[in-house]
Amino acid sequence: EIVMTQSPATLSVSPGERATLSCRASQSVSSNLAWYQQKPGQAPRLLIYGASTRATGIPARFSGSGSGTEFTLTISSLQSEDFAVYYCQQYNNWPLLFGGGTKVEIK
Amino acid sequence: QITLKESGPTLVKPTQTLTLTCTFSGFSLSTSGVGVGWIRQPPGKALEWLALIYWDDDKRYSPSLKSRLTITKDTSKNQVVLTMTNMDPVDTATYYCAHHSSGYHLVWFDPWGQGTLVTVSS
Repeated sequence: EIVMTQSPATLSVSPGERATLSCRASQSVSSNLAWYQQKPGQAPRLLIYGASTRATGIPARFSGSGSGTEFTLTISSLQSEDFAVYYCQQYNNWPLLFGGGTKVEIK
Repeated sequence: QITLKESGPTLVKPTQTLTLTCTFSGFSLSTSGVGVGWIRQPPGKALEWLALIYWDDDKRYSPSLKSRLTITKDTSKNQVVLTMTNMDPVDTATYYCAHHSSGYHLVWFDPWGQGTLVTVSS
């Protein structure tokens, strides 16, 4: 079974700065990777699928890259509403698997 | 606009069976390529995928929980039901249902229901 590892577990960033989140798969998942944002007390929201395609309504400051085993979610200029937990999910193989999450907090 | 809402008991006793219902609107589960999945999240922990049902009634389950899970759909009622047997305190979590529309092999979820917290305790 594939293992999805996200790093760092917590990222402290000042508003306006860039945030770079990593997701690593233990074996290749091609480009079959999604990213979600979850704010406290809310359900996850889809940000990115296909490793780099933004979902409908997602601001351009969110971008995804990578393929195979290494993926990155970049938030170009953090806004106050972007402080949240971010999860990656692979869908190249069954079972569907989520990473452990990265919490982006205010520095 | 697609919406989903989970319903079911907030408290179950150990060894009991949990039955959760996902009631949705804005799409039909008889449309090719569409599916509904269940995902759970223990308090303060990460997301865990549980099960998925497709428009054609094909089903997928998490291998670690497969023996305890059953997912069914009622297309006429726009509902998907998940049952989980032999509940244990470690199954305490928020349970989400979510929409999927990209066919059999490319499964991401958008949108999600608001979730329902299920506590397992005697």
